Formats: sequence, structure tokens, C-alpha cells
Amino acid sequence: QKEVEQDPGPLSVPEGAIVSLNCTYSNSAFQYFMWYRQYSRKGPELLMYTYSSGNKEDGRFTAQVDKSSKYISLFIRDSQPSDSATYLCAMTPTDSWGKLQFGAGTQVVVTP
Amino acid sequence: GAVVSQHPSRVICKSGTSVKIECRSLDFQATTMFWYRQFPKQSLMLMATSNEGSKATYEQGVEKDKFLINHASLTLSTLTVTSAHPEDSSFYICSATSGRENTGSEQFFGPGTRLTVL
Repeated sequence: QKEVEQDPGPLSVPEGAIVSLNCTYSNSAFQYFMWYRQYSRKGPELLMYTYSSGNKEDGRFTAQVDKSSKYISLFIRDSQPSDSATYLCAMTPTDSWGKLQFGAGTQVVVTP
Repeated sequence: GAVVSQHPSRVICKSGTSVKIECRSLDFQATTMFWYRQFPKQSLMLMATSNEGSKATYEQGVEKDKFLINHASLTLSTLTVTSAHPEDSSFYICSATSGRENTGSEQFFGPGTRLTVL
């Protein structure tokens, strides 16, 4: 069983819709949770960063962490065609500095 | 954010040859650099962690004699794929961070290097 599970998609939504992405994980030691966006043939770029449980909002992006359910989510409001990319969740435990465990990534396609 | 570059962006080589990939932090000193590989539609898999001036730490299952990592300065790390074979064909991505103590310190990723071994 993978430590981090993420549906690879593709997830197709019309422009303006809300994109809902999620990951589940099995390691209760994970404390830091990130969402990265990766365009084709490019390196990932950090979108959101959350420590422990709770919500975090940044512009059109909202990240949620539910540690009791080992479930994290990313919501993108008012989606744009430029949001079309692969979104990867990543997480790391407190005592494994810097060692990110990535999900497989969900491919998102926002159609005009 | 900070900028990390990789060179080359893509390389095609013959089976049995060695290929060197460079990873540079352009506007910050990278105490630690990480090397990942990514297969199509799969997640990034951490290969090794390198700290400036010391030997790299390899993840389980990664052959250290095949994937040579050198982190000679605070702005440069290199990955050399020795005696490359077709199964080594992949997307190799490096990341760098200036943090040492702070868990979860942001890693800045390079644009990746596409390696194709014929």
C-alpha cells in the first residue's frame, strides 16, 4: 500500500467551476502538507503549505487538512484554463526533515 | 520564490554511456539538495538527499554506484547516471532548500531533465 494515495484523473471541469482535489495517507506521523502544481515537462511549484490540521486560504485556493481522517483537500475556485496542470499533494513527518512523500498527481483540465 | 536550474533539459544517449545532470540554485545557497525521478503519470520518487560537502544519502533500492551524486558547493549538485540503460530513461528532477533545522522548509524544484537511453 502506498503511503499517499491520489486519484490520477484526469479531472475535466468547465471554466469557472470549482476544482476539488484530495489525497489520503496512512502515516499518522505526517505533519506538513503541501500542494504542488506541475505543468507538462516542468518541475513542481509550491501552491499551498499547511502544518497539522485546519484550513488555509490563498486567493482562489483553499487547502484543508483533516488529520483524524488522514485526508487532505485542495479547492480551486473560479477555475481558469491556465489552471490546467497536474496537482500533486506531498507530505512529510516532523522527524524526517525534507523527505517529501508525493501522491501520484491528479491531472486537471479546465475547458473554456 | 527562489530559482533552481537544471542542465541539460533533455538528453539522449546510447546504452552504456554515462550522463551528468547539473542542478544549480541561482539566487540562494542550497544547504541540501534532493534528487527525484518521475515516470509518466507517477509520483516523484526521492532517490537521494545530498548535503553540501558530505556524502549523499540514498533511498532504499537506489544504487549509489549507478547514480553518483556530488554536492561540491552550496549552489551546485550533480547527478551522474553511469552505464545508462533504457530502463534508466526517466524525468529527473532536483530540488534545493536553504533550510537545515526547520522541518517542512520549502524545497524549490528545478525544471527537470528528460533522459532517454537508446
